Order: sequence, then structure tokens, then C-alpha cells
Amino acid sequence: ELKVEQNPLFLSMQEKKNYTIYCNYSTTSDRLYWYRQDPGKSLESLFVLLSNGAVKQEGRLMASLDTKARLSTLHITAAVHDLSATYFCAALGFQKLVFGTGTRLLVSP
Amino acid sequence: EPEVTQTPSHQVTQMGQEVILRCVPISNHLYFYWYRQILGQKVEFLVSFYNNEISEKSEIFDDQFSVERPDGSNFTLKIRSTKLEDSAMYFCASSEIGFPNTGELFFGEGSRLTVL
Repeated sequence: ELKVEQNPLFLSMQEKKNYTIYCNYSTTSDRLYWYRQDPGKSLESLFVLLSNGAVKQEGRLMASLDTKARLSTLHITAAVHDLSATYFCAALGFQKLVFGTGTRLLVSP
Repeated sequence: EPEVTQTPSHQVTQMGQEVILRCVPISNHLYFYWYRQILGQKVEFLVSFYNNEISEKSEIFDDQFSVERPDGSNFTLKIRSTKLEDSAMYFCASSEIGFPNTGELFFGEGSRLTVL
């Protein structure tokens, strides 16, 4: 059964600092998804990583996928307050996405 | 920009009552999903649906749950006899391409269900 774990669960960052969120999954999966969720809101798609070695960047966020290590990372560069949210990764299982536990990110001055 | 819409945004019901949550997926999408999120917890898969059939369902999706596509646009989730533990945010999602090449899933704003 596919299981997805993220760490850290909670991340308090200062503005302008860099940090990385890690997403591990337990069995083979070819695709990895990253979503952002603001409190009380829906899930906003950030990245879909389709193959081993895939790297995608949007603004201060960069995601990568290593299917051999079953690991995806979401790197935050020079954090700003607007990035405060909960970030979920999800791996593709049979006919479904399996979500990780989420990482709550708080960026403060 | 096309979006997934859900109604109601919030429903309060008594334990044992039937609830129907409605979703209008993006018009050219063929694959539909329901997920739920208990407050402060992770997002859990309930069911996937394609070609008027359930493709996959989780252990959560027991006999009390059903899905239907009654017409060409709506996709509904019915809970026959609600329990306290059904209180959660229910998200509908749709995708243009399905498994094993599942593309981006677009999520609706969610329907918050409160069971008293």
C-alpha cells in the first residue's frame, strides 16, 4: 500500500531564508504532485512531476523528483510572508492520489 | 479559467440524515474524484469515477456512500445515514486524463459537512 510522508510537519521560517520540504513515498510511483492549501481553502496545484529527475520552478518554489530514492523535494528560496500556507505532496497510486501529511509553513519577518 | 464548482459550501445536518454533495467538474474532464479532509488533517481519497463507473474506492467509502453522475454535468456524493465522524471538508476533483497517465487534478472549493 502506497504511503506518503512529509517532513517537517511544521516549519517556521524567517523571510529571505531558504528551506526544503521533503516528501518520501513507500512504493513505486511515476508521478508526484505538489499542492498549496491556505486555511479553510481548497487545494491549489503547484507542480506535477512526471518522471525521474524532473525539476520544475515557479517563482520562489522549486520541486524535484527522484523516483529511485522515492523522494521529492520542494525548495523555497528567499521566503516571503505570502508563502505561508500548508503544502501537500501526493504520489500517484492506482486510480488515485495519495497525499502526505502536509507541511505547515509560517514565514515571519 | 475553467473551475470545479461545489455546492453547498457548508451543510449542517443531524446524525442519521441523508446528505447529497454536488459538484460540477470542468467540462472537458472525464475523470472525477471525491476526497475528504477532517479538520487539520491530511487529504484522504474516497472514490474515483470514470465512464459512469467507480474506478477505485477506499475503505472509507463503505455502503453508506454512493456517487452518481445524474446528467452530463453534475457529479454527486451521497451519504445515506450520516455519522458524527463524517464531519469533514469534502473536495471534488476532476482531471482530463486518468490513470496511469493522470494529469493535473483540479479541486473544487469544498463542501464543509458538520454532523450534529
